[in-house]
Amino acid sequence: DVKVTQSSRYLVKRTGEKVFLECVQDMDHENMFWYRQDPGLGLRLIYFSYDVKMKEKGDIPEGYSVSREKKERFSLILESASTNQTSMYLCASSLAGPNSPLHFGNGTRLTVT
Amino acid sequence: AQKITQTQPGMFVQEKEAVTLDCTYDTSDPSYGLFWYKQPSSGEMIFLIYQGSYDQQNATEGRYSLNFQKARKSANLVISASQLGDSAMYFCAMREGYSGANSKLTFGKGITLSVRP
Repeated sequence: DVKVTQSSRYLVKRTGEKVFLECVQDMDHENMFWYRQDPGLGLRLIYFSYDVKMKEKGDIPEGYSVSREKKERFSLILESASTNQTSMYLCASSLAGPNSPLHFGNGTRLTVT
Repeated sequence: AQKITQTQPGMFVQEKEAVTLDCTYDTSDPSYGLFWYKQPSSGEMIFLIYQGSYDQQNATEGRYSLNFQKARKSANLVISASQLGDSAMYFCAMREGYSGANSKLTFGKGITLSVRP
């Protein structure tokens, strides 16, 4: 079974802090994704990566950056956390290919105070 | 314009009955794929079913089937013989193109399904 592991289930940070969310997958997937989920808004794509060191902006990249130095790890960085970044963050990975589904981690509930 | 539209309000279905969850999509790419995910209250995202734009037949996976109407750009999920465990949020998603920078999935806002005993 594919395992996508997010480093924290719950995280509380202060406004202005630099925040790192880590995600590791163990199935040699080419693609990795970061989404945020908010009530009534569904899942919105922040960034994704289709190869090591490659990154593509999603629909809401402002205020975020990412890093993919190794194939199995994809990090989401909030350079200066703000209260409007309080959300559930979901990491996912998939094989390359049109019919490859995303496999999700359990999510990180981030609260910025 | 939204890529994926799920406009139904919360849906209710009686146990053992069938239910259809609506999804319409918008793309000009002839190559695309459509996915449905289930998210129970525990929060995990569970992949249910996939339909490719060139697939000739509607996809089926156990009690799940996809009513794919390409001309109408709709990809409705049909759940047969509903069970209490089907109560969850359901998301429709689309991938346009096939690889590299086209690998992303765009999700709809989801539909809440409640199964009544």
